[in-house]
Amino acid sequence: AQTVTQSQPEMSVQEAETVTLSCTYDTSESDYYLFWYKQPPSRQMILVIRQEAYKQQNATENRFSVNFQKAAKSFSLKISDSQLGDAAMYFCAYTSPSGTYKYIFGTGTRLKVLA
Amino acid sequence: NAGVTQTPKFQVLKTGQSMTLQCAQDMNHEYMSWYRQDPGMGLRLIHYSVGAGITDQGEVPNGYNVSRSTTEDFPLRLLSAAPSQTSVYFCASRTVNTEAFFGQGTRLTVV
Repeated sequence: AQTVTQSQPEMSVQEAETVTLSCTYDTSESDYYLFWYKQPPSRQMILVIRQEAYKQQNATENRFSVNFQKAAKSFSLKISDSQLGDAAMYFCAYTSPSGTYKYIFGTGTRLKVLA
Repeated sequence: NAGVTQTPKFQVLKTGQSMTLQCAQDMNHEYMSWYRQDPGMGLRLIHYSVGAGITDQGEVPNGYNVSRSTTEDFPLRLLSAAPSQTSVYFCASRTVNTEAFFGQGTRLTVV
């Protein structure tokens, strides 16, 4: 069975600095998708970035980028120039066609941004 | 474009009561699912559907029931509420080529 592990329950970063959130996963499949979702205090789940396993290039969305290491089954999220609005819970998630596109989530990392 | 609409946002139930959480999407997505979020445990799948008339159990299905009579709607029924069902519930929908879109969540307290 697939699993997703986020080993950092909480992280802190100074405003304008860079922080990296870790995610590892376990799967025997070759076709899958990985995501980072942000959950602010409003509770809304907001997609930050997605990565298709077949793409070697790391995904980037403005200040957010990933380091996708397929062989190591690692999918970390880097936030550059951190802003106060980045403070939230961040979830790593996995899905695949063979799993009927069900999502498997990590336990989350709470990010605090210090002014 | 409303996306995924989930109601209610908050609910308090007494032990043994039943209720239905509503979920509707207007994006013609085939896949819909229900998750519960508990502190330190991430989101766990309760039930999911791959199309109208087709449902299946997820990781934590006990105490919950679902049906999918239309593409748009996927209600979650709590048959006899228990304090262990106190949680935040999310409905989500997606199609093959998109990420999941989530509703705003329901905070349910069972006393």
